Amino acid sequence: QKEVEQNSGPLSVPEGAIASLNCTYSDRGSQSFFWYRQYSGKSPELIMSIYSNGDQEDGRFTAQLNKASQYVSLLIRDSQPSDSATYLCAVGHVGGSQGNLIFGKGTKLSVKP
Amino acid sequence: EAQVTQNPRYLITVTGKKLTVTCSQNMNHEYMSWYRQDPGLGLRQIYYSMNVEVTDKGDVPEGYKVSRKEKRNFPLILESPSPNQTSLYFCASSLSVGEDYEQYFGPGTRLTVT
Repeated sequence: QKEVEQNSGPLSVPEGAIASLNCTYSDRGSQSFFWYRQYSGKSPELIMSIYSNGDQEDGRFTAQLNKASQYVSLLIRDSQPSDSATYLCAVGHVGGSQGNLIFGKGTKLSVKP
Repeated sequence: EAQVTQNPRYLITVTGKKLTVTCSQNMNHEYMSWYRQDPGLGLRQIYYSMNVEVTDKGDVPEGYKVSRKEKRNFPLILESPSPNQTSLYFCASSLSVGEDYEQYFGPGTRLTVT
């Protein structure tokens, strides 16, 4: 059974701080890793994708991947109240003839003004 | 406007009454997928489709059917709904499957089966 684990939170950080979200996965054959943000009552939206070991940065967001440890993380710098949402980690065999994507249960982030 | 649409957005039905939730995308995407989201269980993939006439099971396919006769449409069919299929359903699509693709999600369909 392929699994993706996240702390459910809530994770509370003050405005301007760094929020660190973590995710572990069980399937060593996983190839692609994504972070989605979901506001309450809304659909998920992709904020970061990462495919190789190391860091991937996009604005205030940095995704980090360590395949040996089966670990992926998301750092949000200068956190804003608008970042308050549930963050979903998704892992999959994506590519070729495979398209199975498995989501973690999400970490709820609260950024306090 | 590029988008994924789902209909209906809300549906209350009774056990055993066949229903279809439609999903349509206007971005010429090859890949489409259905998910259900339940409290405490997260987002789980039901079925996905790599292209027209190509579909495969996700993690929770029991009780569901799909078809992909046209590239833009990917309906989800519940032949005999049961109360345990009460959930929030999302359809998603992406240009293809591989690196640097983004999955666009529809607005969701909240289904209640009594």
